[in-house]
Amino acid sequence: NAGVTQTPKFQVLKTGQSMTLQCAQDMNHEYMSWYRQDPGMGLRLIHYSVGAGITDQGEVPNGYNVSRSTTEDFPLRLLSAAPSQTSVYFCASSYGQANYEQYFGPGTRLTVT
Amino acid sequence: AQSVTQLDSQVPVFEEAPVELRCNYSSSVSVYLFWYVQYPNQGLQLLLKYLSGSTLVKGINGFEAEFNKSQTSFHLRKPSVHISDTAEYFCAAKWIYNQGGKLIFGQGTELSVKP
Repeated sequence: NAGVTQTPKFQVLKTGQSMTLQCAQDMNHEYMSWYRQDPGMGLRLIHYSVGAGITDQGEVPNGYNVSRSTTEDFPLRLLSAAPSQTSVYFCASSYGQANYEQYFGPGTRLTVT
Repeated sequence: AQSVTQLDSQVPVFEEAPVELRCNYSSSVSVYLFWYVQYPNQGLQLLLKYLSGSTLVKGINGFEAEFNKSQTSFHLRKPSVHISDTAEYFCAAKWIYNQGGKLIFGQGTELSVKP
């Protein structure tokens, strides 16, 4: 199993550009989520999904969109990048929302200039 | 809203010394607790978790934590650290009957082990 994979590893965007961060898992996990990590703030939940076709907002959803058309994939879209979105983004998955261990991807480091 | 607080942002310690990383959370009702470790330029790995039962939880790499319901704490300890333990450590909590069971993270503690 590859586990949770994320692409790209690094990305630089100009303000106003859009892009999609990819996340995939091969563990047949129902629950997937996106976090952003900023210094001194830990990880904050952006969006999550409890299964294909179902998504919901987390703590900091503004400026981001998600969709879940398959169990395996959970892409995160930045609609119009802003410098405040400079961060490290982590995707995670688990067997279910009630299941307790989340498996994390290696992260995407995004810089918006 | 429920919250998790890690009391130290940085903890420097010498190799082979004991270490304690402190974590407090807002409520002991229906809470599950976790410690994750993040090595430089990597994702997060689960160190240990408390779901129920014994309040002393043992994890990987010689770490352990104790669930203290009355003090709402879940401090992480290791009796003797190695250079390879240098990493950032995150405490996290999930309240099943509140916030939809989402995982809430603390701010992180950077553990720096010096020779």
